Amino acid sequence: EDKVVQSPLSLVVHEGDTVTLNCSYEVTNFRSLLWYKQEKKAPTFLFMLTSSGIEKKSGRLSSILDKKELSSILNITATQTGDSAIYLCAPASGTYKYIFGTGTRLKVLA
Amino acid sequence: DGGITQSPKYLFRKEGQNVTLSCEQNLNHDAMYWYRQDPGQGLRLIYYSQIVNDFQKGDIAEGYSVSREKKESFPLTVTSAQKNPTAFYLCASTADRPGTEAFFGQGTRLTVV
Repeated sequence: EDKVVQSPLSLVVHEGDTVTLNCSYEVTNFRSLLWYKQEKKAPTFLFMLTSSGIEKKSGRLSSILDKKELSSILNITATQTGDSAIYLCAPASGTYKYIFGTGTRLKVLA
Repeated sequence: DGGITQSPKYLFRKEGQNVTLSCEQNLNHDAMYWYRQDPGQGLRLIYYSQIVNDFQKGDIAEGYSVSREKKESFPLTVTSAQKNPTAFYLCASTADRPGTEAFFGQGTRLTVV
């Protein structure tokens, strides 16, 4: 059975801090890992990772995949209150069944 | 502009009633999905469909039903058999290759009154 575990479940930091969010997965016929940010309603796409060890960056956010360890991390540097959200990861397999993790709820205090 | 439209945004249901949530996409995507989200939680897969006239159960399909008669549409019916239907429901779609980005609608918040 496919599984996705995200940690920590929740995190409270102050503006300027750096955070690391974790995603571990077990899926059959792995294709890619997707990261999303959800603030109010629809999750918004952050990254798609397909190759191990290659970091993807977008501003203060970066992410990397480790296929050997079946995991991925999402880093956010110099956090801002606007980073407060639920961060979701979803490993995509060779089937169309997309399963999301429970998410990490990040709260950034001013 | 291409996208996914869910309607209504808010829905109130009396206990014992069936309700249908609409999801329409104009992205020409083959695969469509329904997720349920409870407060402070992640997304749980209810049903998904790879092509027209075909769909599969996700992890929490009990009490829900779907149809896929058109490529653009994937309505979800929450039946009276669903004991705790109050939740936020999200529809998504992906292109015809597994492993690609999923696009989401703005969601429907269902409340049982």
